[in-house]
Amino acid sequence: DGGITQSPKYLFRKEGQNVTLSCEQNLNHDAMYWYRQDPGQGLRLIYYSQIVNDFQKGDIAEGYSVSREKKESFPLTVTSAQKNPTAFYLCASSPRLGQPQHFGDGTRLSIL
Amino acid sequence: QKEVEQNSGPLSVPEGAIASLNCTYSDRGSQSFFWYRQYSGKSPELIMFIYSNGDKEDGRFTAQLNKASQYVSLLIRDSQPSDSATYLCAVSYAGGTSYGKLTFGQGTILTVHP
Repeated sequence: DGGITQSPKYLFRKEGQNVTLSCEQNLNHDAMYWYRQDPGQGLRLIYYSQIVNDFQKGDIAEGYSVSREKKESFPLTVTSAQKNPTAFYLCASSPRLGQPQHFGDGTRLSIL
Repeated sequence: QKEVEQNSGPLSVPEGAIASLNCTYSDRGSQSFFWYRQYSGKSPELIMFIYSNGDKEDGRFTAQLNKASQYVSLLIRDSQPSDSATYLCAVSYAGGTSYGKLTFGQGTILTVHP
């Protein structure tokens, strides 16, 4: 079935460690997005990409990095510079930028 | 700063009633409007999207858009306990550096009681 796969489902980070969250889609969508959700809050945009080899900062990009080397894949790295990384991370994709987005199941990141 | 505001609730309605969820937005350049449903601990699921003023119906759901007043609403008819969830409103923008980016409201918690 077509969809968006995020892994792992749960992830724990030690102090000073970088961690990478995986996002893969087989929907042939051009645009992909990363959001962060904190308890009781809406979603905030971290990074987005409208095409391979291109990505743009969202509203809260500090402490995060991404790459878009393949159309299907948009991994997110949470660096040690992100001082409050505990959150629910959601990856989404859409056929083109601005069109309805569909989400993966998310990754919950916690600090050890 | 482009803002999207929702009443956080909780909104409680009896089974079979109409639930009305509202959302206001600050930027008149907003182009597209989306409603997502999010069950506790799960990811958001797209319910409806609307681009033009007026109503758009899909089954028990109706999205209403009024660009002059800068609000968008979601009506759920014949509410069921399975509709109990957080409903997120999202808005995207037509131009400039914000083109295509979604801004989400904080969500309204809906509880449908038997």
